[in-house]
Amino acid sequence: DAGVTQSPTHLIKTRGQQVTLRCSPISGHKSVSWYQQVLGQGPQFIFQYYEKEERGRGNFPDRFSARQFPNYSSELNVNALLLGDSALYLCASRFRGVGGETQYFGPGTRLLVL
Amino acid sequence: DAKTTQPNSMESNEEEPVHLPCNHSTISGTDYIHWYRQLPSQGPEYVIHGLTSNVNNRMASLAIAEDRKSSTLILHRATLRDAAVYYCIPPNAGGTSYGKLTFGQGTILTVHP
Repeated sequence: DAGVTQSPTHLIKTRGQQVTLRCSPISGHKSVSWYQQVLGQGPQFIFQYYEKEERGRGNFPDRFSARQFPNYSSELNVNALLLGDSALYLCASRFRGVGGETQYFGPGTRLLVL
Repeated sequence: DAKTTQPNSMESNEEEPVHLPCNHSTISGTDYIHWYRQLPSQGPEYVIHGLTSNVNNRMASLAIAEDRKSSTLILHRATLRDAAVYYCIPPNAGGTSYGKLTFGQGTILTVHP
C-alpha cells in the first residue's frame, strides 16, 4: 500500500500570492492532520480533519484554511502569503488503535515565499 | 497539555546502544507517551508508544519510569540510519488529541561510524 502522498514536493511563491497544497492519506484512513515545520524547529499543528469536518485547529491565522474531500484527501490553502510562511508543510493520516493513535506522515511540501 | 524536556543533542558510535531521555513531569495517569523520529529530508515517523510498562518493537524499546514522570527511548544497536531528530510527544489534555501531536525541539542524534 502507498503511504501518505503530498503534492507538489516543492513550490516557490511571492508575497501576497495564494497556495494550495494537496495530500492523500493512507487507504482506509479517514483523518488527516496538517503541520508546518519551520527550519530548525519541530512541526507545529495547523488543522485536523475527520470525515470531512474540521476537528482541531492550531494557533494559525485565518489565512490558513483546509478542507477534506469525500475520498478523504485534503487540501491546505494559504492566502496572502508572507515571508514567514516559508516552511515544510506536512500532512499526516491517523490510525486510532489500542494505546491511542499513530500518525503517518508524508514527505512534505517545501514552500519558499520570496 | 503536558510538556516534555529532552536534551538538545546526543552522540553515539555505530553498533552501540543509545538511551534518549525525556522528562514529562506533568503527565496524567491515563496518557500514553509516544516517540517519533525525523530522518533528514523526511517527514516524522512513528517509533513507539507506551503507558506504564516497558515496551519493545522492532525499532526500539521504551522504558517508562515507575512514577511515569520520565521515559527513555533505547536503540539497542545504533546504525548510521538512526541519525535523526527524536521527539518525545506528550499527550494532550484529556487524553484526546484530535489528531494533534505537540512536537518540541527534540533530540538530534548523531551516529559516528
